[in-house]
Amino acid sequence: AQSVTQPDIHITVSEGASLELRCNYSYGATPYLFWYVQSPGQGLQLLLKYFSGDTLVQGIKGFEAEFKRSQSSFNLRKPSVHWSDAAEYFCAVVMEYGNKLVFGAGTILRVKS
Amino acid sequence: EPEVTQTPSHQVTQMGQEVILRCVPISNHLYFYWYRQILGQKVEFLVSFYNNEISEKSEIFDDQFSVERPDGSNFTLKIRSTKLEDSAMYFCASSRDRGSEQYFGPGTRLTVT
Repeated sequence: AQSVTQPDIHITVSEGASLELRCNYSYGATPYLFWYVQSPGQGLQLLLKYFSGDTLVQGIKGFEAEFKRSQSSFNLRKPSVHWSDAAEYFCAVVMEYGNKLVFGAGTILRVKS
Repeated sequence: EPEVTQTPSHQVTQMGQEVILRCVPISNHLYFYWYRQILGQKVEFLVSFYNNEISEKSEIFDDQFSVERPDGSNFTLKIRSTKLEDSAMYFCASSRDRGSEQYFGPGTRLTVT
C-alpha cells in the first residue's frame, strides 16, 4: 500500500537559517506530490505541487521542493526561514488520475529568534 | 481568491446523536472530498464524490457516514450516530479535476461527549 514518511516530527531552526523538510514515499508508480502547511487552528494550505516535468518546483511563500525519483523523495526547502513559517508541514501524494491524498504524519517547524 | 468554506467551525455533540457537517466547495470544482484528523494523528481520507455519487471511500467510511450534495453549492457529511472516537477535525476539500491539487477548507472540529 502507498505510504508517505516524514521522518522528522519536530524541527527547530533559527530565523534566517535555511530549512529542509524530508519526505519519502512508497508507491508503485510516480505519484503526484504535494506539500501543505497548517498553521495552528487553520486549514491546510497548498504550498506547491509536482505532477511531471522539471523536478525542482517553486511554491508560495518562497518554498521550493525537489523530486528525486531514485530516492523516492520530495523534500521541501526554503533558503531563509521567517518566524511566520512556524507551522506544521505535511507531504502528501496521490496516484496519477487518482482520488485520495495520502498524507505523511507531518513535521512541526519551530522558528527561534 | 475562491476558497472552500466549512460550517460550523466547532460542533459539540453527545454520543449517539446525528451531526451534519457542511462545506461549500470552490464553485467550478467537480470533485469533493472529506478527510479527518484525529488529534495527534495523520490526516486521513474518508470519501471522494463526483457526479453526485461516491467515487472512492476508505474503510473508515462505514454505514454511519454518508455524504450528499443537496444543491448546487453545498456538500455535506452526515454521521448518523456519533461515537467518542469520531471526535476529530473534519476537512472538506475540492479539486477541479481527478488527481489535480485539492483545496482544503478550515475544518470543523467535532467533539463527541
